[in-house]
Amino acid sequence: DGGITQSPKYLFRKEGQNVTLSCEQNLNHDAMYWYRQDPGQGLRLIYYSQIVNDFQKGDIAEGYSVSREKKESFPLTVTSAQKNPTAFYLCASSIGAGGPNTEAFFGQGTRLTVV
Amino acid sequence: SQQGEEDPQALSIQEGENATMNCSYKTSINNLQWYRQNSGRGLVHLILIRSNEREKHSGRLRVTLDTSKKSSSLLITASRAADTASYFCATDKGNYGQNFVFGPGTRLSVLP
Repeated sequence: DGGITQSPKYLFRKEGQNVTLSCEQNLNHDAMYWYRQDPGQGLRLIYYSQIVNDFQKGDIAEGYSVSREKKESFPLTVTSAQKNPTAFYLCASSIGAGGPNTEAFFGQGTRLTVV
Repeated sequence: SQQGEEDPQALSIQEGENATMNCSYKTSINNLQWYRQNSGRGLVHLILIRSNEREKHSGRLRVTLDTSKKSSSLLITASRAADTASYFCATDKGNYGQNFVFGPGTRLSVLP
Protein backbone atom coordinates (compact mmCIF):
# COMPACT_ATOMS: atom_id res chain seq x y z
CA ASP A 1 0.00 0.00 0.00
CA GLY A 2 2.12 2.87 -1.33
CA GLY A 3 1.89 6.33 0.06
CA ILE A 4 3.26 8.99 2.30
CA THR A 5 2.78 8.76 6.04
CA GLN A 6 3.03 11.53 8.59
CA SER A 7 3.10 10.98 12.32
CA PRO A 8 1.83 11.84 14.78
CA LYS A 9 -1.51 13.22 13.65
CA TYR A 10 -1.70 15.57 16.66
CA LEU A 11 1.24 16.92 18.62
CA PHE A 12 1.39 19.20 21.61
CA ARG A 13 4.53 21.13 22.46
CA LYS A 14 5.44 23.10 25.50
CA GLU A 15 7.08 26.47 25.16
CA GLY A 16 10.83 26.13 24.63
CA GLN A 17 10.75 22.52 23.47
CA ASN A 18 11.94 21.08 20.19
CA VAL A 19 9.64 18.58 18.50
CA THR A 20 10.18 16.36 15.48
CA LEU A 21 7.51 15.52 12.91
CA SER A 22 7.93 12.32 10.97
CA CYS A 23 7.40 11.89 7.22
CA GLU A 24 7.97 8.57 5.46
CA GLN A 25 7.22 7.61 1.86
CA ASN A 26 7.41 4.29 0.04
CA LEU A 27 6.78 5.73 -3.42
CA ASN A 28 10.48 5.73 -4.32
CA HIS A 29 10.26 9.48 -4.86
CA ASP A 30 13.41 11.56 -4.99
CA ALA A 31 11.91 14.91 -3.96
CA MET A 32 10.27 15.68 -0.64
CA TYR A 33 8.75 18.86 0.79
CA TRP A 34 7.48 20.35 4.03
CA TYR A 35 4.70 22.92 4.06
CA ARG A 36 3.03 24.90 6.80
CA GLN A 37 -0.67 25.77 6.62
CA ASP A 38 -2.33 28.27 8.93
CA PRO A 39 -6.15 28.36 9.36
CA GLY A 40 -7.89 29.42 6.16
CA GLN A 41 -4.59 29.94 4.40
CA GLY A 42 -2.62 28.38 1.62
CA LEU A 43 0.55 26.34 1.92
CA ARG A 44 3.93 27.91 2.57
CA LEU A 45 7.11 26.02 1.79
CA ILE A 46 9.44 25.40 4.74
CA TYR A 47 12.12 23.09 3.33
CA TYR A 48 12.55 20.86 0.31
CA SER A 49 14.89 18.09 -0.72
CA GLN A 50 15.63 16.89 -4.23
CA ILE A 51 17.82 13.91 -3.32
CA VAL A 52 19.27 12.16 -0.32
CA ASN A 53 21.69 14.25 1.74
CA ASP A 54 20.53 17.44 0.09
CA PHE A 55 17.95 19.96 1.25
CA GLN A 56 17.25 23.64 0.75
CA LYS A 57 15.40 26.35 2.63
CA GLY A 58 11.99 27.38 1.42
CA ASP A 59 10.17 30.63 2.08
CA ILE A 60 9.76 30.26 5.86
CA ALA A 61 12.67 28.09 7.09
CA GLU A 62 13.54 30.13 10.19
CA GLY A 63 13.00 28.10 13.37
CA TYR A 64 12.87 24.78 11.51
CA SER A 65 15.43 22.14 10.60
CA VAL A 66 15.36 18.97 8.49
CA SER A 67 17.52 16.02 7.53
CA ARG A 68 17.46 13.66 4.55
CA GLU A 69 19.64 10.71 5.45
CA LYS A 70 17.40 8.19 3.71
CA LYS A 71 15.39 8.47 0.52
CA GLU A 72 12.22 7.40 2.33
CA SER A 73 12.43 9.80 5.25
CA PHE A 74 12.36 13.59 5.66
CA PRO A 75 11.78 14.53 9.32
CA LEU A 76 11.07 18.12 10.31
CA THR A 77 12.18 19.55 13.65
CA VAL A 78 10.34 22.56 14.98
CA THR A 79 12.81 24.28 17.27
CA SER A 80 12.23 26.62 20.18
CA ALA A 81 13.38 29.43 17.89
CA GLN A 82 10.11 29.16 15.94
CA LYS A 83 8.01 31.84 17.62
CA ASN A 84 4.60 30.82 16.37
CA PRO A 85 4.69 27.08 15.64
CA THR A 86 1.01 26.28 16.09
CA ALA A 87 -0.11 25.20 12.60
CA PHE A 88 -0.95 22.29 10.35
CA TYR A 89 2.17 20.74 8.79
CA LEU A 90 2.03 18.88 5.50
CA CYS A 91 4.70 16.69 3.98
CA ALA A 92 4.71 15.91 0.27
CA SER A 93 6.80 14.01 -2.22
CA SER A 94 7.19 13.91 -5.98
CA ILE A 95 9.01 11.64 -8.35
CA GLY A 96 11.44 14.41 -9.14
CA ALA A 97 11.57 18.14 -9.53
CA GLY A 98 10.60 20.00 -12.66
CA GLY A 99 9.22 17.34 -14.94
CA PRO A 100 6.26 18.27 -17.17
CA ASN A 101 3.92 15.77 -15.52
CA THR A 102 5.17 15.93 -11.96
CA GLU A 103 2.49 15.90 -9.30
CA ALA A 104 2.83 16.06 -5.54
CA PHE A 105 1.58 13.38 -3.18
CA PHE A 106 0.66 14.55 0.31
CA GLY A 107 0.53 12.97 3.72
CA GLN A 108 -2.46 13.51 6.00
CA GLY A 109 -0.75 16.19 8.01
CA THR A 110 0.32 16.81 11.61
CA ARG A 111 -1.48 19.40 13.68
CA LEU A 112 0.98 20.99 16.11
CA THR A 113 -0.27 22.99 19.07
CA VAL A 114 1.85 24.89 21.57
CA VAL A 115 0.50 24.63 25.11
CA SER B 1 6.67 33.58 -2.82
CA GLN B 2 3.02 33.01 -3.59
CA GLN B 3 2.53 32.42 -7.28
CA GLY B 4 -1.13 31.50 -7.67
CA GLU B 5 -4.15 33.39 -6.43
CA GLU B 6 -7.52 31.67 -6.42
CA ASP B 7 -10.77 33.52 -6.85
CA PRO B 8 -13.26 33.57 -5.22
CA GLN B 9 -11.99 32.94 -1.69
CA ALA B 10 -15.25 31.19 -0.84
CA LEU B 11 -18.11 29.83 -2.93
CA SER B 12 -21.42 28.40 -1.82
CA ILE B 13 -23.73 26.60 -4.27
CA GLN B 14 -26.60 24.13 -4.32
CA GLU B 15 -26.11 20.48 -5.15
CA GLY B 16 -26.40 19.94 -8.90
CA GLU B 17 -25.10 23.36 -9.83
CA ASN B 18 -21.75 23.98 -11.47
CA ALA B 19 -18.85 25.52 -9.55
CA THR B 20 -16.17 27.62 -11.20
CA MET B 21 -12.95 28.66 -9.53
CA ASN B 22 -10.23 30.79 -11.04
CA CYS B 23 -6.49 30.97 -10.53
CA SER B 24 -4.17 33.74 -11.63
CA TYR B 25 -0.38 33.60 -11.53
CA LYS B 26 2.47 35.97 -12.13
CA THR B 27 5.32 34.35 -14.06
CA SER B 28 5.72 31.74 -16.79
CA ILE B 29 5.07 28.16 -15.78
CA ASN B 30 5.84 24.58 -16.77
CA ASN B 31 2.42 23.34 -15.75
CA LEU B 32 -0.46 24.17 -13.42
CA GLN B 33 -2.16 21.74 -11.10
CA TRP B 34 -5.34 21.71 -9.06
CA TYR B 35 -5.61 20.03 -5.68
CA ARG B 36 -8.47 19.41 -3.26
CA GLN B 37 -8.24 19.44 0.52
CA ASN B 38 -10.94 18.13 2.78
CA SER B 39 -11.04 19.78 6.19
CA GLY B 40 -8.08 18.75 8.34
CA ARG B 41 -6.64 16.41 5.72
CA GLY B 42 -3.83 16.36 3.20
CA LEU B 43 -4.15 17.57 -0.36
CA VAL B 44 -5.21 15.31 -3.18
CA HIS B 45 -4.10 15.90 -6.74
CA LEU B 46 -7.00 16.45 -9.15
CA ILE B 47 -5.63 17.41 -12.51
CA LEU B 48 -2.52 18.78 -14.21
CA ILE B 49 -2.48 20.94 -17.32
CA ARG B 50 0.75 21.64 -19.15
CA SER B 51 1.69 25.07 -20.45
CA ASN B 52 1.11 23.97 -24.07
CA GLU B 53 -2.42 22.71 -23.33
CA ARG B 54 -5.54 24.85 -23.29
CA GLU B 55 -8.18 22.54 -21.86
CA LYS B 56 -8.32 19.26 -20.01
CA HIS B 57 -11.12 17.07 -18.70
CA SER B 58 -11.28 14.47 -15.98
CA GLY B 59 -14.71 13.13 -15.09
CA ARG B 60 -16.78 16.10 -13.84
CA LEU B 61 -13.73 18.37 -13.84
CA ARG B 62 -12.79 20.73 -16.62
CA VAL B 63 -9.66 22.84 -16.45
CA THR B 64 -8.67 25.61 -18.82
CA LEU B 65 -5.39 27.45 -19.09
CA ASP B 66 -4.77 30.80 -20.75
CA THR B 67 -1.05 31.48 -20.65
CA SER B 68 -1.46 34.88 -22.30
CA LYS B 69 -3.62 36.01 -19.37
CA LYS B 70 -1.72 33.87 -16.86
CA SER B 71 -4.92 32.35 -15.60
CA SER B 72 -6.66 29.01 -15.19
CA SER B 73 -10.14 27.94 -14.25
CA LEU B 74 -11.51 24.80 -12.66
CA LEU B 75 -15.10 23.87 -13.41
CA ILE B 76 -16.86 21.19 -11.39
CA THR B 77 -20.10 20.17 -13.08
CA ALA B 78 -23.17 18.74 -11.36
CA SER B 79 -21.69 19.34 -7.93
CA ARG B 80 -22.34 17.02 -5.00
CA ALA B 81 -22.19 17.57 -1.25
CA ALA B 82 -19.03 15.44 -1.27
CA ASP B 83 -17.31 18.12 -3.38
CA THR B 84 -17.31 20.41 -0.34
CA ALA B 85 -13.62 21.14 0.25
CA SER B 86 -10.91 23.72 -0.36
CA TYR B 87 -9.42 23.83 -3.83
CA PHE B 88 -5.90 25.02 -4.53
CA CYS B 89 -4.03 25.74 -7.69
CA ALA B 90 -0.31 25.12 -7.74
CA THR B 91 2.08 26.36 -10.36
CA ASP B 92 5.21 24.51 -11.39
CA LYS B 93 7.96 26.64 -12.82
CA GLY B 94 10.05 23.57 -13.42
CA ASN B 95 12.88 24.85 -11.29
CA TYR B 96 14.15 23.06 -8.23
CA GLY B 97 12.32 24.53 -5.28
CA GLN B 98 9.78 26.34 -7.40
CA ASN B 99 7.61 23.43 -8.32
CA PHE B 100 4.29 23.37 -6.41
CA VAL B 101 3.80 26.97 -5.36
CA PHE B 102 0.30 27.15 -3.92
CA GLY B 103 -2.29 29.88 -3.79
CA PRO B 104 -4.55 30.57 -0.77
CA GLY B 105 -7.37 28.39 -2.10
CA THR B 106 -11.11 28.58 -2.71
CA ARG B 107 -13.41 27.14 -0.04
CA LEU B 108 -16.32 25.46 -1.80
CA SER B 109 -19.50 24.58 0.06
CA VAL B 110 -22.07 22.46 -1.76
CA LEU B 111 -25.41 22.56 0.01
CA PRO B 112 -27.77 19.57 -0.21
